[in-house]
Parts: sequence; structure tokens; C-alpha cells
Amino acid sequence: AQTVTQSQPEMSVQEAETVTLSCTYDTSENNYYLFWYKQPPSRQMILVIRQEAYKQQNATENRFSVNFQKAAKSFSLKISDSQLGDTAMYFCAFMKASNSGYALNFGKGTSLLVTP
Amino acid sequence: NAGVTQTPKFQVLKTGQSMTLQCAQDMNHNSMYWYRQDPGMGLRLIYYSASEGTTDKGEVPNGYNVSRLNKREFSLRLESAAPSQTSVYFCASTWSGRTDTQYFGPGTRLTVL
Repeated sequence: AQTVTQSQPEMSVQEAETVTLSCTYDTSENNYYLFWYKQPPSRQMILVIRQEAYKQQNATENRFSVNFQKAAKSFSLKISDSQLGDTAMYFCAFMKASNSGYALNFGKGTSLLVTP
Repeated sequence: NAGVTQTPKFQVLKTGQSMTLQCAQDMNHNSMYWYRQDPGMGLRLIYYSASEGTTDKGEVPNGYNVSRLNKREFSLRLESAAPSQTSVYFCASTWSGRTDTQYFGPGTRLTVL
């Protein structure tokens, strides 16, 4: 079974600053996907960024980037130039790569507050 | 495209009542999922359907049943609701081919008294 650990229940950052959210996972698989999802107060789950384990290059989406360390089983999310709209719960998730559609294993989340 | 839709958005039940949560997607996805989210927890998988005609248990299936009605629709049924089933329920879908990104519905907040 895969487990996902987010060790920071809450974090705070000032607007325009940079913040890093941590995530570690445990798996014996070699081929898998990792995700960061954002859940604002509206409750909608929004995909922020994804990383394929076979790719060495770290994924980047505008202000969001990851630091993927496969050997260390670490997958942190960096948010640059934080904005008030980034305030949300952030969930790290793991999926084993498969054509049969395996489900996501989620961490417990990190609550991020962006302050003016 | 509406994406993934769920009905109802909110529901209050009494212990022992039954109800069905509906989910539909218009993205021609093969796989669909039901998760629940409890305070302080990430989402946990209840059931999933890898393709039309198949369903499998997830991490927390007790007290639930599912039906994959067709490729678009995947329903979750509570036969005899219990207070422990008070939660927010999310449906998700994925193509299971070119990409494994899951797309989520807006969720259903269920309270069992």
C-alpha cells in the first residue's frame, strides 16, 4: 500500500513571498504519478501540478513548481509570488501508473494562508 | 462541457434512511471514483469503476454500494445511513489512457442525524 505524508498541517505566507509545502510518500512501485491538488473554501478540488515518476525534470506550471526527489521519495510544492487567491488546502496525492485507472492516495493536507 | 457533476449538493438524512448520490461526466472518461472527505483527513476512496461494467472496493467501502449505470454515470448508494457517514462526498473521473489526471465534481455535503 502507498502512504502519503504531509508534515505541515498549517502554513502562512505573506503576499508576493515564496512558500514550500512538503510531501513524502512510501511505495515499492517504480512507475507512478504524483499530484498536488488545491481545495479553496468553495470545496472544489483543483489540479495544481502533476509529475510522472519516470521524468527527471521537475514539473512547472506558472508560479507553481515541484522539487521531485525520487530516491528520497519526496515531492514538495513551491509557490512563488504568493497571491491571496492561493489561500486553500493543498493535498499531495500518489497514483500508481496503470491503464485500468487506479485511484489516488491522498495526504491529510496542508492549510495555506496567504496574508496581505 | 460541464465536466463532472454531482447531485445533490447538500443533504440531511436521519439515521436509517437511504439515499443515492448521483454523478455524471461528459468527458468520455472510462474510469470513475467515489471518495469521502472527513475533517483533518485527505480524501479516501470508497469505490471505483475502472471501466463500464466493472466496480471495485476502495479503502472504506462498508455501508455503501455503487452502480456504474453507463459510461457517463456512477452512483453511490447508502442503504441505511449512519452518523459515521456524515462527510463530504466527491466523484471523480479519468480517461485512464493518455493521462491519469482525475477531474473532480463539486462535492456533496451529507449530514446524518
